[in-house]
Amino acid sequence: DTGVSQDPRHKITKRGQNVTFRCDPISEHNRLYWYRQTLGQGPEFLTYFQNEAQLEKSRLLSDRFSAERPKGSFSTLEIQRTEQGDSAMYLCASSQGTAPYGEQFFGPGTRLTVL
Amino acid sequence: DAKTTQPNSMESNEEEPVHLPCNHSTISGTDYIHWYRQLPSQGPEYVIHGLTSNVNNRMASLAIAEDRKSSTLILHRATLRDAAVYYCILTNFGNEKLTFGTGTRLTIIP
Repeated sequence: DTGVSQDPRHKITKRGQNVTFRCDPISEHNRLYWYRQTLGQGPEFLTYFQNEAQLEKSRLLSDRFSAERPKGSFSTLEIQRTEQGDSAMYLCASSQGTAPYGEQFFGPGTRLTVL
Repeated sequence: DAKTTQPNSMESNEEEPVHLPCNHSTISGTDYIHWYRQLPSQGPEYVIHGLTSNVNNRMASLAIAEDRKSSTLILHRATLRDAAVYYCILTNFGNEKLTFGTGTRLTIIP
């Protein structure tokens, strides 16, 4: 089953360090999304790509966050100078269809803990 | 964006039907109603979606009120594997992001 995969599954880092997460979408999906989820809350949208173009960014995505999707395949999310408030689950999803029809398929997430 | 309101939590007995309500009184004519669920320690997964008519799939049924201001997700025979947080989300053309609320935490009692 080639679903959405994310790496690493868990990351513990010290405040001030940079971290990078990877997402591999379902191969034929042209849309890729990043969300962040804190404890007890639903996921919050961060950004989305159509192929390699980053088409929307949330105001939650501060200048310490950057996302890329080179060649329209996998995507990376980098957080620079991490803060304790960045501790969360980072979820990636991919989709083939367009809104409002397209079902988003989510990966298992990367849990980030900033000490 | 139109918002949805769901109860924080619900309980149901195993093997009984479950009706999960969602209010969306400010829904627009082109908003679709989506349901996703999130099992423990997993990413969300799609359950069902609809516009005006009731919808059925292998996982659940979606009953949409005639005025579309509310909807109900129906699990016909709950199992322990259905214990999850269920999210009711409105989507529309040109709006690619899913806006999750806090959802309804469904507990299944054996």
